[in-house]
Amino acid sequence: DIQMTQSPSTLSASVGDRVTITCRASQSISSWLAWYQQKPGKAPKLLIYKASSLESGVPSRFSGSGSGTEFTLTISSLQPDDFATYYCQQYNSYPWAFGQGTKVEIK
Amino acid sequence: EVQLVQSGAEVKKPGESLKISCKGSGYSFTSYWIGWVRQMPGKGLEWMGIIYPGDSDTRYSPSFQGQVTISADKSISTAYLQWSSLKASDTAMYYCARRSGWNYPFDYWGQGTLVTVSS
Repeated sequence: DIQMTQSPSTLSASVGDRVTITCRASQSISSWLAWYQQKPGKAPKLLIYKASSLESGVPSRFSGSGSGTEFTLTISSLQPDDFATYYCQQYNSYPWAFGQGTKVEIK
Repeated sequence: EVQLVQSGAEVKKPGESLKISCKGSGYSFTSYWIGWVRQMPGKGLEWMGIIYPGDSDTRYSPSFQGQVTISADKSISTAYLQWSSLKASDTAMYYCARRSGWNYPFDYWGQGTLVTVSS
Protein backbone atom coordinates (compact mmCIF):
# COMPACT_ATOMS: atom_id res chain seq x y z
CA ASP A 1 0.00 0.00 0.00
CA ILE A 2 1.12 3.56 -0.68
CA GLN A 3 1.99 5.73 2.33
CA MET A 4 1.73 9.53 2.26
CA THR A 5 3.93 11.75 4.42
CA GLN A 6 3.33 15.47 4.85
CA SER A 7 5.64 18.10 6.28
CA PRO A 8 5.56 20.08 8.38
CA SER A 9 2.88 18.86 10.79
CA THR A 10 2.28 22.40 12.00
CA LEU A 11 3.13 25.68 10.37
CA SER A 12 2.90 29.13 11.97
CA ALA A 13 2.49 31.99 9.52
CA SER A 14 1.17 35.51 9.19
CA VAL A 15 -1.40 36.99 6.85
CA GLY A 16 0.31 37.75 3.55
CA ASP A 17 2.99 35.07 3.93
CA ARG A 18 3.82 32.60 1.20
CA VAL A 19 3.25 29.09 2.56
CA THR A 20 4.45 25.77 1.18
CA ILE A 21 3.43 22.29 2.34
CA THR A 22 5.18 19.17 1.11
CA CYS A 23 3.73 15.70 0.54
CA ARG A 24 5.74 12.59 -0.29
CA ALA A 25 4.44 9.27 -1.56
CA SER A 26 6.16 5.98 -0.72
CA GLN A 27 6.07 5.05 -4.43
CA SER A 28 5.22 6.82 -7.65
CA ILE A 29 1.62 7.98 -7.98
CA SER A 30 2.13 9.86 -11.26
CA SER A 31 0.00 13.01 -10.81
CA TRP A 32 -2.89 11.40 -8.95
CA LEU A 33 -2.61 13.66 -5.95
CA ALA A 34 -5.27 15.83 -4.34
CA TRP A 35 -5.13 18.53 -1.68
CA TYR A 36 -7.96 19.24 0.76
CA GLN A 37 -8.60 21.98 3.30
CA GLN A 38 -10.46 21.20 6.50
CA LYS A 39 -11.73 23.63 9.10
CA PRO A 40 -12.83 22.56 12.61
CA GLY A 41 -16.21 20.83 12.62
CA LYS A 42 -16.47 20.85 8.82
CA ALA A 43 -16.05 18.31 6.07
CA PRO A 44 -12.89 18.53 3.96
CA LYS A 45 -12.98 20.71 0.86
CA LEU A 46 -11.20 19.78 -2.36
CA LEU A 47 -8.66 22.43 -3.44
CA ILE A 48 -6.39 20.77 -6.00
CA TYR A 49 -6.69 17.57 -8.04
CA LYS A 50 -4.32 15.83 -10.43
CA ALA A 51 -1.45 17.49 -8.53
CA SER A 52 -1.88 20.94 -10.08
CA SER A 53 -5.47 21.43 -11.28
CA LEU A 54 -7.42 24.00 -9.31
CA GLU A 55 -10.91 22.91 -8.33
CA SER A 56 -13.67 25.22 -9.52
CA GLY A 57 -14.30 28.11 -7.14
CA VAL A 58 -11.00 27.80 -5.29
CA PRO A 59 -8.99 31.05 -5.10
CA SER A 60 -6.01 31.30 -7.42
CA ARG A 61 -3.63 31.92 -4.50
CA PHE A 62 -3.70 28.13 -4.06
CA SER A 63 -1.47 26.12 -6.39
CA GLY A 64 -0.08 22.62 -6.53
CA SER A 65 2.93 21.09 -8.22
CA GLY A 66 4.89 17.88 -8.46
CA SER A 67 4.68 14.40 -9.89
CA GLY A 68 5.92 10.93 -9.07
CA THR A 69 6.61 10.99 -5.34
CA GLU A 70 7.13 14.67 -4.41
CA PHE A 71 4.36 17.24 -4.31
CA THR A 72 3.80 20.72 -2.92
CA LEU A 73 0.84 22.90 -2.07
CA THR A 74 1.57 26.63 -2.11
CA ILE A 75 -0.55 29.48 -0.82
CA SER A 76 0.90 32.58 -2.42
CA SER A 77 -0.43 35.11 0.08
CA LEU A 78 -2.03 33.67 3.20
CA GLN A 79 -5.47 35.08 4.00
CA PRO A 80 -7.38 34.92 7.32
CA ASP A 81 -9.76 32.33 5.85
CA ASP A 82 -6.83 30.01 5.06
CA PHE A 83 -5.99 29.09 8.65
CA ALA A 84 -7.00 25.44 8.62
CA THR A 85 -5.61 21.91 8.30
CA TYR A 86 -4.47 20.68 4.88
CA TYR A 87 -4.32 17.07 3.72
CA CYS A 88 -2.82 15.47 0.66
CA GLN A 89 -4.34 12.28 -0.74
CA GLN A 90 -3.17 9.80 -3.34
CA TYR A 91 -5.79 8.31 -5.64
CA ASN A 92 -3.47 6.45 -7.99
CA SER A 93 -4.48 3.05 -6.65
CA TYR A 94 -6.64 1.47 -3.97
CA PRO A 95 -6.43 1.74 -1.06
CA TRP A 96 -6.35 5.51 -1.34
CA ALA A 97 -4.40 7.22 1.44
CA PHE A 98 -4.25 10.61 3.12
CA GLY A 99 -1.23 12.35 4.56
CA GLN A 100 -1.32 13.01 8.29
CA GLY A 101 -2.23 16.67 7.81
CA THR A 102 -0.58 20.08 8.17
CA LYS A 103 -2.15 22.60 10.52
CA VAL A 104 -1.61 26.20 9.44
CA GLU A 105 -1.76 28.43 12.51
CA ILE A 106 -1.66 32.16 13.04
CA LYS A 107 1.81 33.39 14.01
CA GLU B 1 -27.32 20.54 -7.00
CA VAL B 2 -25.30 17.55 -5.86
CA GLN B 3 -25.89 16.73 -2.19
CA LEU B 4 -24.83 13.97 0.15
CA VAL B 5 -26.90 13.93 3.32
CA GLN B 6 -25.79 11.66 6.13
CA SER B 7 -27.80 10.20 8.98
CA GLY B 8 -27.67 11.74 12.44
CA ALA B 9 -25.32 11.26 15.35
CA GLU B 10 -25.37 7.91 17.14
CA VAL B 11 -24.52 6.87 20.69
CA LYS B 12 -24.00 3.15 21.10
CA LYS B 13 -22.59 0.64 23.57
CA PRO B 14 -19.66 -1.67 22.83
CA GLY B 15 -20.81 -4.83 21.11
CA GLU B 16 -23.87 -3.22 19.51
CA SER B 17 -24.44 -3.10 15.77
CA LEU B 18 -24.89 0.06 13.72
CA LYS B 19 -25.64 1.12 10.16
CA ILE B 20 -25.20 4.75 9.10
CA SER B 21 -26.36 6.17 5.80
CA CYS B 22 -25.47 8.66 3.10
CA LYS B 23 -28.21 9.71 0.67
CA GLY B 24 -27.21 11.18 -2.65
CA SER B 25 -29.34 13.59 -4.65
CA GLY B 26 -29.00 15.90 -7.62
CA TYR B 27 -27.15 13.38 -9.77
CA SER B 28 -27.30 9.82 -11.10
CA PHE B 29 -26.49 7.86 -7.94
CA THR B 30 -25.52 4.67 -9.79
CA SER B 31 -22.87 6.40 -11.93
CA TYR B 32 -20.42 7.64 -9.28
CA TRP B 33 -18.28 5.97 -6.65
CA ILE B 34 -19.09 6.79 -3.00
CA GLY B 35 -16.40 6.45 -0.35
CA TRP B 36 -16.19 6.56 3.43
CA VAL B 37 -13.60 8.41 5.51
CA ARG B 38 -12.99 8.15 9.25
CA GLN B 39 -11.74 10.96 11.47
CA MET B 40 -11.08 10.02 15.07
CA PRO B 41 -11.28 12.84 17.65
CA GLY B 42 -8.46 15.32 17.07
CA LYS B 43 -6.88 13.14 14.40
CA GLY B 44 -6.45 13.06 10.63
CA LEU B 45 -8.46 11.60 7.78
CA GLU B 46 -8.42 7.84 7.10
CA TRP B 47 -9.71 6.30 3.88
CA MET B 48 -11.95 3.33 4.70
CA GLY B 49 -13.32 2.12 1.40
CA ILE B 50 -15.42 2.89 -1.65
CA ILE B 51 -18.39 1.45 -3.53
CA TYR B 52 -19.77 1.82 -7.04
CA PRO B 53 -23.55 1.73 -6.55
CA GLY B 54 -24.15 0.75 -10.17
CA ASP B 55 -22.80 -2.78 -9.64
CA SER B 56 -21.84 -2.75 -5.91
CA ASP B 57 -18.13 -3.15 -6.71
CA THR B 58 -16.50 -2.41 -3.34
CA ARG B 59 -12.90 -1.84 -2.28
CA TYR B 60 -11.68 -1.67 1.30
CA SER B 61 -8.59 -0.39 3.03
CA PRO B 62 -6.80 -3.34 4.65
CA SER B 63 -7.12 -1.44 7.94
CA PHE B 64 -10.91 -1.67 7.74
CA GLN B 65 -11.47 -4.91 5.78
CA GLY B 66 -13.50 -7.25 7.95
CA GLN B 67 -14.22 -4.50 10.48
CA VAL B 68 -16.97 -2.70 8.55
CA THR B 69 -19.28 -3.38 5.62
CA ILE B 70 -19.95 -0.85 2.87
CA SER B 71 -23.12 -1.29 0.83
CA ALA B 72 -25.56 0.68 -1.30
CA ASP B 73 -29.24 0.58 -2.16
CA LYS B 74 -29.58 2.18 -5.57
CA SER B 75 -33.37 2.14 -5.38
CA ILE B 76 -33.20 4.84 -2.71
CA SER B 77 -29.85 6.41 -3.73
CA THR B 78 -28.28 5.59 -0.39
CA ALA B 79 -24.91 4.22 0.65
CA TYR B 80 -24.27 2.60 4.01
CA LEU B 81 -21.48 1.90 6.45
CA GLN B 82 -22.16 -0.75 9.04
CA TRP B 83 -20.62 -2.46 12.02
CA SER B 84 -21.70 -5.78 13.53
CA SER B 85 -19.98 -5.25 16.88
CA LEU B 86 -18.84 -1.77 17.81
CA LYS B 87 -15.77 -1.02 19.91
CA ALA B 88 -14.91 2.12 21.85
CA SER B 89 -12.17 2.73 19.27
CA ASP B 90 -14.87 3.15 16.59
CA THR B 91 -15.75 6.51 18.18
CA ALA B 92 -15.18 9.00 15.37
CA MET B 93 -16.72 11.27 12.77
CA TYR B 94 -17.51 9.39 9.56
CA TYR B 95 -17.80 11.18 6.23
CA CYS B 96 -19.14 9.91 2.94
CA ALA B 97 -17.85 11.51 -0.25
CA ARG B 98 -18.40 11.19 -3.99
CA ARG B 99 -15.79 10.55 -6.63
CA SER B 100 -16.79 12.47 -9.75
CA GLY B 101 -14.79 10.61 -12.37
CA TRP B 102 -12.08 8.05 -13.01
CA ASN B 103 -9.35 10.70 -12.74
CA TYR B 104 -10.94 12.58 -9.86
CA PRO B 105 -10.70 12.33 -6.07
CA PHE B 106 -13.57 13.12 -3.70
CA ASP B 107 -15.20 16.40 -4.60
CA TYR B 108 -18.58 16.28 -2.85
CA TRP B 109 -18.75 15.42 0.85
CA GLY B 110 -21.50 14.68 3.31
CA GLN B 111 -21.78 16.66 6.52
CA GLY B 112 -20.46 13.80 8.64
CA THR B 113 -21.99 11.40 11.16
CA LEU B 114 -20.58 11.35 14.68
CA VAL B 115 -20.53 7.88 16.19
CA THR B 116 -19.86 7.61 19.92
CA VAL B 117 -19.30 4.18 21.45
CA SER B 118 -19.27 4.17 25.22
CA SER B 119 -20.39 1.89 28.01
